[in-house]
Amino acid sequence: DAGVIQSPRHEVTEMGQEVTLRCKPISGHDYLFWYRQTMMRGLELLIYFNNNVPIDDSGMPEDRFSAKMPNASFSTLKIQPSEPRDSAVYFCASSLVQGAGYEQYFGPGTRLTVT
Amino acid sequence: SQKIEQNSEALNIQEGKTATLTCNYTNYSPAYLQWYRQDPGRGPVFLLLIRENEKEKRKERLKVTFDTTLKQSLFHITASQPADSATYLCALPKNSGGYQKVTFGTGTKLQVIP
Repeated sequence: DAGVIQSPRHEVTEMGQEVTLRCKPISGHDYLFWYRQTMMRGLELLIYFNNNVPIDDSGMPEDRFSAKMPNASFSTLKIQPSEPRDSAVYFCASSLVQGAGYEQYFGPGTRLTVT
Repeated sequence: SQKIEQNSEALNIQEGKTATLTCNYTNYSPAYLQWYRQDPGRGPVFLLLIRENEKEKRKERLKVTFDTTLKQSLFHITASQPADSATYLCALPKNSGGYQKVTFGTGTKLQVIP
């Protein structure tokens, strides 16, 4: 398997623009997670899905952030409008829960810079 | 409130020595604890999971201990090598409606000096 795939790897945009980040989880995994990582706050969980259904979005910072998972092989994280404080590395991860094994497989991340 | 603490200062260690990293937590009753490795510009990579009823877990040169009384996990790398240089993150589950939501510590950066 190719692992978790994220695109784009880098995104530079101007404040106020819409940003869409994409993720393809590992085939067969039933959990998908979106994280944000900054130096100040570390790795923060934004939202996670189970079988394409959003379970917990309490980490989504504001209404400007939204996430969807239309099918088992694709998810998007959208920021509209973007702001400079959204600059961070965004990771997607997936996992398969089998007998209480919960390891997460992370993608390479998308480095977002909002100017 | 729930808190995970890892030493934010970098740990520098001589090649060949044993590196020991600490993860302390408060207000958690975790059924397990995980350790991940993160290299610059990459996503975290899972290393080990230890359950609450396990005191110690080993994998090659890695050893993890889990003391639920002290609310602490120690992560050891024996015979450390420069290739072990990375940031190491611990993660604990936070039960959320029956699903497993994991919270990560901020990580400790390990530098193994040749």
